[in-house]
Amino acid sequence: DIVMTQSPLSLPVTPGEPASISCRSSQSLLHSNGYNYLDWYLQKPGRSPQLLIYLSSNRASGVPDRFSGSASGTDFTLQISRVEAEDVGFYYCMQAIQIPYSFGQGTKLEIK
Amino acid sequence: EVQLLESGGDLVQPGGSLRLSCAASGFTFSSYAMNWVRQAPGKGLEWVSCIINSGTTTYYADSVKGRFTISRDNSHNTLLLQMNSLRAEDTAVYYCAKSAYHNTCYNMGVWGKGTTVTVSS
Repeated sequence: DIVMTQSPLSLPVTPGEPASISCRSSQSLLHSNGYNYLDWYLQKPGRSPQLLIYLSSNRASGVPDRFSGSASGTDFTLQISRVEAEDVGFYYCMQAIQIPYSFGQGTKLEIK
Repeated sequence: EVQLLESGGDLVQPGGSLRLSCAASGFTFSSYAMNWVRQAPGKGLEWVSCIINSGTTTYYADSVKGRFTISRDNSHNTLLLQMNSLRAEDTAVYYCAKSAYHNTCYNMGVWGKGTTVTVSS
């Protein structure tokens, strides 16, 4: 099974500052179609998870453009250009190249 | 409005059974693959199972394979999860989530509010 490792696990950020979350996969997530099969989800406090990014760099509908995703080999990054108070919560990466799908441990973003 | 509403969560004894339902509305249910994802108390997300739009193909996490069965009733826009031989480690909030595709399970853009399953004597 593919293991997803996120870092950091806790991320205090000042509003207006950028933030970056890393996710590393134990195997390649690159499909023969050229896409990396990685999603990013955010779970705000007391809420259900919501999709932010799919195929490593595609923003889901309605997601602000301050969120972006990138890939380099088996390393994936979620970047927030300017953190807002509403961005607090747990961020999860999930690989979708192989069943069973697997999530990272989650990164807790909090406001300083 | 696209909505998913889970139900069926309960307190059940170890070794018992439970059936979860997820009622879908606001989209063509029969066109999309559907997932179950769970979250144990204070823990992260765990993908549990997926079924493609036709219901002919299903996938499971190793932790539930042989004990859980996912199915769907496209005529009633309902996703089901039959859970047998329940263990304490199955205690979690169970979410249903809609894929963006008919025959692959990722890109889960719509989630329900979840239903709570507690396995305890």
